[in-house]
Amino acid sequence: NAGVTQTPKFRVLKTGQSMTLLCAQDMNHEYMYWYRQDPGMGLRLIHYSVGEGTTAKGEVPDGYNVSRLKKQNFLLGLESAAPSQTSVYFCASRTTYYEQYFGPGTRLTVT
Amino acid sequence: GNSVTQMEGPVTLSEEAFLTINCTYTATGYPSLFWYVQYPGEGLQLLLKATKADDKGSNKGFEATYRKETTSFHLEKGSVQVSDSAVYFCALGSNSGGYQKVTFGTGTKLQVIP
Repeated sequence: NAGVTQTPKFRVLKTGQSMTLLCAQDMNHEYMYWYRQDPGMGLRLIHYSVGEGTTAKGEVPDGYNVSRLKKQNFLLGLESAAPSQTSVYFCASRTTYYEQYFGPGTRLTVT
Repeated sequence: GNSVTQMEGPVTLSEEAFLTINCTYTATGYPSLFWYVQYPGEGLQLLLKATKADDKGSNKGFEATYRKETTSFHLEKGSVQVSDSAVYFCALGSNSGGYQKVTFGTGTKLQVIP
């Protein structure tokens, strides 16, 4: 039981490049989330999904897209990376009772 | 809407000192309350939870009691260790406008010195 895994762990992009972050969970959770964490800002919700085939915007969705084609996977895409998207990205899945399980994070630097 | 307010950090304590990290919340209905811990370079981990008023959550020597009358869920530990150095997040889960939502506080950094 691996829990929540994220790929890659680190990435450096140039401004304007695109990339996809992969999140996978093996706990059969319906809800999945993408957050970004910046110094002094806590966690900010980017997008979330309440089940396979669904996605919805969170607090800071601009510049990001997501897809949930399979229940166990939740992908976060950056179409045209900007330095403001330098951050640590966390994926999480959630039980029915609001308990969230987080992945180890992806450290992204955009130069 | 829902909100969680935590005390500003960082909090610096000597080993074996008593720890309190304050957390208050605003929510409609009957939220569930959580404390998460984040060690350096890692994701958040659930530390403890309470699902109804007067419940006490506990784990690894940490405790927090769900106080509906004061809308609080303060984290306490009787004797901290260096290994407790981390960032602690208070969180709330509830049905808000038909959507089951989890709201996090901004985190409180704890540093324990030998």
